[in-house]
Amino acid sequence: AQSVTQLDSQVPVFEEAPVELRCNYSSSVSVYLFWYVQYPNQGLQLLLKYLSGSTLVKGINGFEAEFNKSQTSFHLRKPSVHISDTAEYFCAVSDRSGNEKLTFGTGTRLTIIP
Amino acid sequence: DAGVIQSPRHEVTEMGQEVTLRCKPISGHDYLFWYRQTMMRGLELLIYFNNNVPIDDSGMPEDRFSAKMPNASFSTLKIQPSEPRDSAVYFCASSFRGLDSDTQYFGPGTRLTVL
Repeated sequence: AQSVTQLDSQVPVFEEAPVELRCNYSSSVSVYLFWYVQYPNQGLQLLLKYLSGSTLVKGINGFEAEFNKSQTSFHLRKPSVHISDTAEYFCAVSDRSGNEKLTFGTGTRLTIIP
Repeated sequence: DAGVIQSPRHEVTEMGQEVTLRCKPISGHDYLFWYRQTMMRGLELLIYFNNNVPIDDSGMPEDRFSAKMPNASFSTLKIQPSEPRDSAVYFCASSFRGLDSDTQYFGPGTRLTVL
């Protein structure tokens, strides 16, 4: 079984400042990793995913994440945030067995301060 | 495409009543997922289907919950009888292929309140 830890439940950041949202996972097998974003009163939308290959993954809206196998982490970063980035961000993991189950972290609420 | 469609968007019911949530996946998608989101437990997968067949229902909390997919364009999640602890946002998602080559597209959710 897999698990995901998002240590920061809330992250306030000034507009145009950089941000990093932390995600650590636990698994006894190789995994796929994902970041989703949820805007208020909406469903989740995929930001980016790591399947294999380059450990630096670029996603939509200027976000990127780096897979670090030794630290079992998949932190999300953006060099300069905008008001429109205010949302909840979820890290998720799945194994590579073909089971399509996603295990989500508890989420990080990103608040952009003007 | 209209995306994943869920109905109703909001449901308020009383304890003991039957509740049925509905989902129309994106046309052509072979996978359909039901998730539940609560403050206490976060986002959990309840069940998923592949080609209308339930594949993994290990997340279904108890026998009060049941899900069906009678055809490729429709699925229901039923709770009978409902309890206040079932209050949550229920999301339906669909995908064309598996996670190694596709993404799950989420609907807007149904907010269920059980009084």
